[in-house]
Amino acid sequence: AQSVTQPDIHITVSEGASLELRCNYSYGATPYLFWYVQSPGQGLQLLLKYFSGDTLVQGIKGFEAEFKRSQSSFNLRKPSVHWSDAAEYFCAVGERGSTLGRLYFGRGTQLTVWP
Amino acid sequence: DTAVSQTPKYLVTQMGNDKSIKCEQNLGHDTMYWYKQDSKKFLKIMFSYNNKELIINETVPNRFSPKSPDKAHLNLHINSLELGDSAVYFCASSQVRSGGGLYGYTFGSGTRLTVV
Repeated sequence: AQSVTQPDIHITVSEGASLELRCNYSYGATPYLFWYVQSPGQGLQLLLKYFSGDTLVQGIKGFEAEFKRSQSSFNLRKPSVHWSDAAEYFCAVGERGSTLGRLYFGRGTQLTVWP
Repeated sequence: DTAVSQTPKYLVTQMGNDKSIKCEQNLGHDTMYWYKQDSKKFLKIMFSYNNKELIINETVPNRFSPKSPDKAHLNLHINSLELGDSAVYFCASSQVRSGGGLYGYTFGSGTRLTVV
């Protein structure tokens, strides 16, 4: 089965600092890759996704992620964090070629932003 | 217009009761899901329907029964509620790509179920 690892349970950064959230996956082929954000009391919102092509993908709210096949990673980055970015971030993997449409989620990274 | 809407948003009930959560999507997606998010924020898939057909049925107590009257609706009925059922339940929808895979989920805002 596929697995997704987000090694950092909680990250704290200062407003204006850069951010990188790590995500590693275990899958036999190149999966579909996603990052979602969950604000307190809210559902999950899609930040960005990778299907194929350019390994650096741009998303909403100034986020980007880079797919590195050799490292089985899909790390999320933002050059300058805003206080409103404080939330829970989930990396997810989807199976290429599957008709089930199942997503496997990591356990999430909670981001705290200091003013 | 809300793309994926769940009702109710909050549900507080006593042990042993039966309750239902409703979900509707207006995106024209062909696949819908129920996920459970526990107190540690872990998301675990429970069920998935594609065009009203059950395609994913994880190891879930049979007290949980999903129903999809049409491809825009997916409901979750829970019998004999237990304390351990307390969690946030998310509905999601997606469109499976031709050849497999998917475009990504659109989530509802969740139903926080508290069993007392």
